[in-house]
Formats: sequence, structure tokens, C-alpha cells
Amino acid sequence: ETGVTQSPTHLIKTRGQQVTLRCSSQSGHNTVSWYQQALGQGPQFIFQYYREEENGRGNFPPRFSGLQFPNYSSELNVNALELDDSALYLCASSWGTGRKNTEAFFGQGTRLTVV
Amino acid sequence: AQKITQTQPGMFVQEKEAVTLDCTYDTSDQSYGLFWYKQPSSGEMIFLIYQGSYDEQNATEGRYSLNFQKARKSANLVISASQLGDSAMYFCAMRDNYGQNFVFGPGTRLSVLP
Repeated sequence: ETGVTQSPTHLIKTRGQQVTLRCSSQSGHNTVSWYQQALGQGPQFIFQYYREEENGRGNFPPRFSGLQFPNYSSELNVNALELDDSALYLCASSWGTGRKNTEAFFGQGTRLTVV
Repeated sequence: AQKITQTQPGMFVQEKEAVTLDCTYDTSDQSYGLFWYKQPSSGEMIFLIYQGSYDEQNATEGRYSLNFQKARKSANLVISASQLGDSAMYFCAMRDNYGQNFVFGPGTRLSVLP
């Protein structure tokens, strides 16, 4: 196990609702990245938080937002849910940025279904 | 922009045999890292192996080795002595040296047959 914990593991929401997903990073890690993995596809980068600040963002609309807390845990918030938001959401924690061989340790993900 | 291509949607291999999973990449960066991750049905991405763009030797980690051909922009994963527990999705990914995010390929589903 990697020490990265995500909650909840599964979630069903109705279109238009809001959802919050949580991630506890591995001890000693100060960077958290979020990815969306649609069924049958590779993960897509949503955004990254480093020391409580957003440190990069992929091609996702503003209704995807996040937070990182002083203990480096993180939340992903999605407003106005759409059916296409149904996916596995993965959180990855790592130490720092800019290190070429930094591994990222992933959680088991939250499977979100929007109906 | 970086891009990863994995042309094998699915692969079958007999238990105890070796298998190669293909990965090609495209980037304009000179310095980057290439990674392979395994994703079982549980969903967690498990790190397997890393290759830096300036590494002269091919990376090896136990039964995993990475066949890195920089001129061809390929980074194939070789799994020796396949085991039933190797059945999973395998993703090739790259990351530039700013370390901001991974770019993943579409994945290859490996099935190991007894």
C-alpha cells in the first residue's frame, strides 16, 4: 500500500449536484495532483497543489476546483455535475516539484457515477 | 505538447513467458522521465519502473525492464516470467522535469493465461 487514502471509494450523484472528494497524502509529501480517468481511458490531469497553492491545471473547466490543507491533504470539488463527469478520480502525492524522477504514489481512487 | 501512444489495447501471454508492451512518446523537451504504472481492477496505480531521458542504461526493476530507444522515442516495458497476478491494465506515462503532471497513454490490458 502507498499510504495515500481517498474517500469515499464510491459515490453516486445526480446531474447538477455538487461533490467533494478527499485525499490524504503520504506522510512527508507536500504535493497532491488530481486525475480524472474515464472508463477505458488513461488518467487526465486536472490540477496540482503544492504547499496549499494551485501549481498547474489541465484542460478542465472552473467548476472543478480544489484545496490543499496545512497537513497537505486535499479536496477536489466539482460543481454542477454532468453525466460526463462519471469517472474514477485519482489522487497522487509526491514530494516537491521539478524533480525528474519523483515518483507519485496514487490512491485507489473514488469512482463517481453521475445519473 | 507531450503525447503517449500505446497501440496494443489488449495482450495475452502464457504464464511464465515474457511479454513486451509497446509505448511511443512525443515531446519537444530534452529532459523528461518515462514511467510505467500497473492498474489492477481495484483502481490503484502501482509504480513499476522509471527511465530518465539522459539515462544511458535501460532501467530494470525485478521482472520489469524498460527497453528505451531515445531516437525512436519508444519506451517498451518487458515483463519476464509472467505471473497470473500480472493481469491488469498497464499505462505508460511521461513527466517533464518541472514535475507538474503526468501524461498517460490509453493503456494496454494484459491477460496472463494459465
